[in-house]
Amino acid sequence: QVLLQESGPGLVKPSETLSLTCAVSLDSISSDNYWAWVRQPPGKGLEWIVSLWSSGTSYYNPSLKSRVTISVDTSKNQFSLKLNSLTAADTAVYYCARVPHRGAAAGISYFDYWGQGTLVTVSS
Amino acid sequence: QSALTQPRSVSGSPGQSVTISCTGTSSDVGVYDYVSWYQHHPDKAPKLMIYDVNKRPSGVPDRFSGSKSGNTASLTISGLQAEDEADYFCCSYAGTYILYVFGTGTQVTVL
Repeated sequence: QVLLQESGPGLVKPSETLSLTCAVSLDSISSDNYWAWVRQPPGKGLEWIVSLWSSGTSYYNPSLKSRVTISVDTSKNQFSLKLNSLTAADTAVYYCARVPHRGAAAGISYFDYWGQGTLVTVSS
Repeated sequence: QSALTQPRSVSGSPGQSVTISCTGTSSDVGVYDYVSWYQHHPDKAPKLMIYDVNKRPSGVPDRFSGSKSGNTASLTISGLQAEDEADYFCCSYAGTYILYVFGTGTQVTVL
């Protein structure tokens, strides 16, 4: 089964940029899937952040789009998230996940494999 | 887009059935048959349990079933077992403006 593992700093200062990486095992990052980031603030529900299709097309949560960058490193079989202008509201557990591409409109799918998540705290 | 509404917690004894509701709107759950459900044990990766409202991935016990009526989707766990104690959350496709909306999450307790 596909394995995903997030990595990044546990603590980031306000106004700085968060950088997270998701290492993918037992599947190629170039396979016909979407690769996504989802987060869960403490005590709250999950929030979809962004999805990247292996073709290169990205889809963003409109509320975060202006601050988010997603990219792929095929040589390392991993993908990354950058979130800038951080505030305390960005404190959350961040998950990476795989979304099968089903040949229809983007999003008509589900998250079939997830990482365990990494807690990011935004604080000075 | 608001989060989908789930009960904060449900509980049942071993062998009983519990149902978790996931209420959305006519812009997500009500109009698309792309509801999925996930099981999440603390400090573990979430696990896909149901997709496309009522389909089970390979390996998921048939004790887990999904359904939908109007703007509300439901996950039923029949024959509750101790290992089913976990958090469960739903997710729906919500259109091209925002692809996915998630539920608020439900804690299932096996008494």
